[in-house]
Amino acid sequence: QKEVEQNSGPLSVPEGAIASLNCTYSDRGSQSFFWYRQYSGKSPELIMFIYSNGDKEDGRFTAQLNKASQYVSLLIRDSQPSDSATYLCAVNNAGGTSYGKLTFGQGTILTVHP
Amino acid sequence: DAGVIQSPRHEVTEMGQEVTLRCKPISGHDYLFWYRQTMMRGLELLIYFNNNVPIDDSGMPEDRFSAKMPNASFSTLKIQPSEPRDSAVYFCASSFEPRAYGYTFGSGTRLTVV
Repeated sequence: QKEVEQNSGPLSVPEGAIASLNCTYSDRGSQSFFWYRQYSGKSPELIMFIYSNGDKEDGRFTAQLNKASQYVSLLIRDSQPSDSATYLCAVNNAGGTSYGKLTFGQGTILTVHP
Repeated sequence: DAGVIQSPRHEVTEMGQEVTLRCKPISGHDYLFWYRQTMMRGLELLIYFNNNVPIDDSGMPEDRFSAKMPNASFSTLKIQPSEPRDSAVYFCASSFEPRAYGYTFGSGTRLTVV
């Protein structure tokens, strides 16, 4: 089992719809969770982070965390064509030499069509 | 701040040659990370430093890869000798508190070994 798994995609949604991106992780000791956006040919860019169970909202983005189910998701409301990118879920593991490490999922390609 | 600065942006080299990738982290960031990204394997952590000291190099593929951080503002990743399977995008990232705030990535070096 991979440490961080994302829904394989690609995901295609119409403009204005809600895009839902999902991620599961295997290390129950994981402490913090991040969503990065990566445009084609560019570097990953941090868009959200969450530590506590529940929802965290930032503009059109909502991150949801359920540690009991080892599940984190990203909702994008009112999707725009400019949201078309690969979305990477990243998880910080427990302590020791893993303290600073983020383990990334394979990414989900999102396409928002007009 | 100019962000994380990597050089060169692109590198094409012949198999067997030495390749050196360079990174300047954001000033004040104590953590520096080297990642490799390929279509097949996604983003993989190669090595990371804290206060210029290597903390975890378990992701370094083999002895052909080496990384140094001689001071807080500079790091190198060296591949000697290079092989075609080393072709990938190599990202450097830095952070002052990765568990809380994730990383900031540089623009990457696209390495092609022919």
